[in-house]
Formats: sequence, C-alpha cells, structure tokens
Amino acid sequence: DQQVKQNSPSLSVQEGRISILNCDYTNSMFDYFLWYKKYPAEGPTFLISISSIKDKNEDGRFTVFLNKSAKHLSLHIVPSQPGDSAVYFCAAPQSSGYALNFGKGTSLLVTP
Amino acid sequence: DAGVIQSPRHEVTEMGQEVTLRCKPISGHNSLFWYRQTMMRGLELLIYFNNNVPIDDSGMPEDRFSAKMPNASFSTLKIQPSEPRDSAVYFCASSLGPQETQYFGPGTRLLVL
Repeated sequence: DQQVKQNSPSLSVQEGRISILNCDYTNSMFDYFLWYKKYPAEGPTFLISISSIKDKNEDGRFTVFLNKSAKHLSLHIVPSQPGDSAVYFCAAPQSSGYALNFGKGTSLLVTP
Repeated sequence: DAGVIQSPRHEVTEMGQEVTLRCKPISGHNSLFWYRQTMMRGLELLIYFNNNVPIDDSGMPEDRFSAKMPNASFSTLKIQPSEPRDSAVYFCASSLGPQETQYFGPGTRLLVL
C-alpha cells in the first residue's frame, strides 16, 4: 500500500526554467517530509525537508511547498540546471520515526 | 569521510546460490538500514538496526533473508537460497540516530538467474 505517491515518472525541463516535482500522500499523521535526489549508480542523497507545521521551506534553488489539506507537496527547482538531472524521491517517516516511506520517484531531465 | 560503503557493487548469481551483501556504515552512526529497490515496489525498508541490535525486521520478505550486525562498522544481508525475484538493487543507509538524516550507500545491484 503506497502511502507516498509520485504520479509522474518523468519530467523534462529546459535549462533555466522552473522544475516542479509533485508528491501526494495518504497518511495525515506524517509530520515531516523529505526529498532525496539520486544519480545513476549512486544511492539517494538527502536534498531538503519540511515539517508539517510549515507550508514552505527554501534552500537556495530548491523550495518545497506543503499543502496539508490536499495532502500534497511539491519541489520547485529554480533555475533548473543540467546537473539537476536525476531521479527525485519524496519520502515521509512512518510513526516509528525511522522507517521511510518512499514514492517511486520522478526522473528529471534538464536539457541545455 | 568515505560515506557508506557497500560491496559488491554488482552480483550475478544463479538461483539457489547463497548471496551475501556487505555494508560499512559511516563511523559514529548508530542506526543502520537495509533497503531494497524494485520497479514494482520502489524503495522499501527491509531491516533496521540500532546500536548493532535489530529493531525492526518486519520488511524482510521471507526466511531466506537474514541480516546481521556483529559490530558498529559492519553489517551483512544474506539471501539463502536466492531466487530470480530477489533481483533488485539493495541499499544500505546509516544515520546518527533513528530519526536523523539517512545517508545511503551506492547500492548493490543483484541479478539472480
């Protein structure tokens, strides 16, 4: 039962434009969310997180927005760069606090 | 810091053989996680250790899977006997504590023929 869903398997964006990656969740008890980035042949690396008490968190070119009423979050990358081409995973910890529920990922391609 | 180290990076074996995957967590990290990534199920937690003790193995699919952490710097995930449906990428991750940021290794890509 997938509690974190990324419905777009892939996204292509031109360099310099905005990339928007979306994530939906079903469990209203999740109290924070994370985004991980994964390059081929590497493990996922932590990118940015957001607590459920906030609706926005920004770190440089990366901003995550949380809409709790819609059970939806999004990752915005502005401006997008070719080096941002990777698979992005949305994740949320289960009530245990350690077990992460991951979405299946969105593959972002930023073209020059 | 070397990060989380996993070996081997690739493993091809025949059905019925024993497979052992290895992980060295980041020094000082007390929590260790084994994940499996498949196309069908995505990334899923198999087992979690804290201070070398298995805390949650509810994600281990079958008795054919076992994991150990004999000390703070080494863990193994063993599959015996292996089956073609075990083909996946297996990731090890570690963190300072159970609710801290998890740092992933590069993964072991396993193919069982």
